[in-house]
Amino acid sequence: NAGVTQTPKFRILKIGQSMTLQCAQDMNHNYMYWYRQDPGMGLKLIYYSVGAGITDKGEVPNGYNVSRSTTEDFPLRLELAAPSQTSVYFCASSYRRQAGELFFGEGSRLTVL
Amino acid sequence: AQTVTQSQPEMSVQEAETVTLSCTYDTSESDYYLFWYKQPPSRQMILVIRQEAYKQQNATENRFSVNFQKAAKSFSLKISDSQLGDAAMYFCASLSRRNQFYFGTGTSLTVIP
Repeated sequence: NAGVTQTPKFRILKIGQSMTLQCAQDMNHNYMYWYRQDPGMGLKLIYYSVGAGITDKGEVPNGYNVSRSTTEDFPLRLELAAPSQTSVYFCASSYRRQAGELFFGEGSRLTVL
Repeated sequence: AQTVTQSQPEMSVQEAETVTLSCTYDTSESDYYLFWYKQPPSRQMILVIRQEAYKQQNATENRFSVNFQKAAKSFSLKISDSQLGDAAMYFCASLSRRNQFYFGTGTSLTVIP
């Protein structure tokens, strides 16, 4: 049982480049989330989705985009990378709200130089 | 939006002793959930304990228990008989009706042998 899988685990980008962080879960979870974790700042919600075809902005969506064409996949797109996007990114999923528990991927460390 | 505040950036405890991590939150909702997550150096986020706001009884999970004070919007985590493996970053989080998880900035717990 793979759970939540994120790729890549590490990436270095140059300013202005674009990339996609991949996230897949095999637990048939409806809810999926993207967070960024900056040192001393906790986790900030970027985007989330409550099901295929439905996405919504979180606290810090600027500079990012997402899509949810299937239940399993929830990729995060960074357009025109900036140094402020240097962070660790976590994808997470949950089955239903009442269950509550978030299942996290292992994180992706992104550095923009 | 909800806010979650952890006012203790760092805490330490002697092995086998008890420690309490503080968390306060702010929400206008009546239906919400509260969580404590543990993040060891491996970065993997692990659910420690969950509390439903409508339940008055404090949640417990083995050595972990919470003190949930709804009127004061306080949600502290008590770790009894601390073990070396408890050393980690601990995050308090709330779940809103809109299925958004909000995280505090974390408390780094050191366990002293």
